[in-house]
Amino acid sequence: DVKVTQSSRYLVKRTGEKVFLECVQDMDHENMFWYRQDPGLGLRLIYFSYDVKMKEKGDIPEGYSVSREKKERFSLILESASTNQTSMYLCASSPTLARPYEQYFGPGTRLTVT
Amino acid sequence: KQEVTQIPAALSVPEGENLVLNCSFTDSAIYNLQWFRQDPGKGLTSLLLIQSSQREQTSGRLNASLDKSSGRSTLYIAASQPGDSATYLCAVRVSNTGKLIFGQGTTLQVKP
Repeated sequence: DVKVTQSSRYLVKRTGEKVFLECVQDMDHENMFWYRQDPGLGLRLIYFSYDVKMKEKGDIPEGYSVSREKKERFSLILESASTNQTSMYLCASSPTLARPYEQYFGPGTRLTVT
Repeated sequence: KQEVTQIPAALSVPEGENLVLNCSFTDSAIYNLQWFRQDPGKGLTSLLLIQSSQREQTSGRLNASLDKSSGRSTLYIAASQPGDSATYLCAVRVSNTGKLIFGQGTTLQVKP
């Protein structure tokens, strides 16, 4: 069974803090993704990575950065958290070369910035 | 630009009914389409994945169909149960890297 884990289920941070969200997958997947989910806006892609040290901007990268130093770990960084970054953050992974190319999600981190 | 739409946004049915959730997409150049389930406050669970060359996939009481030429997919749930209550999301894969474009979801309530 594929497992995608996220470091925290709930997180409360103050405005201006630097925030790290960690995601780890155990299936040797090449691709990893960070989404945020907001009511009425659905899931929106922040960043994705298709290999170690490689990253691509998604649809809403502003205010975020990412790090992928090891294949199994993909970190999302909020350099200076703001209240409009309060959201549910979902990490996902998928293979490139092996069918069926399913995308597997972690349980999510609900971040509140006060 | 690929857009994915799900109708209806919400659905309430009595237990035991068969139901269909709809998903449409604007660009037929997709790698695959995936249906997910999301329980309140939780992550996404993959239900079914249909490759672009396939017409349907089945898993238990769930059946998903894909008509690429018309840009439509349906998720059929047979003999619905209260435990099926959740939000159902469809997403299309648009590149080799696995990037998904999501619909807004249909929130299903099955009443006992």
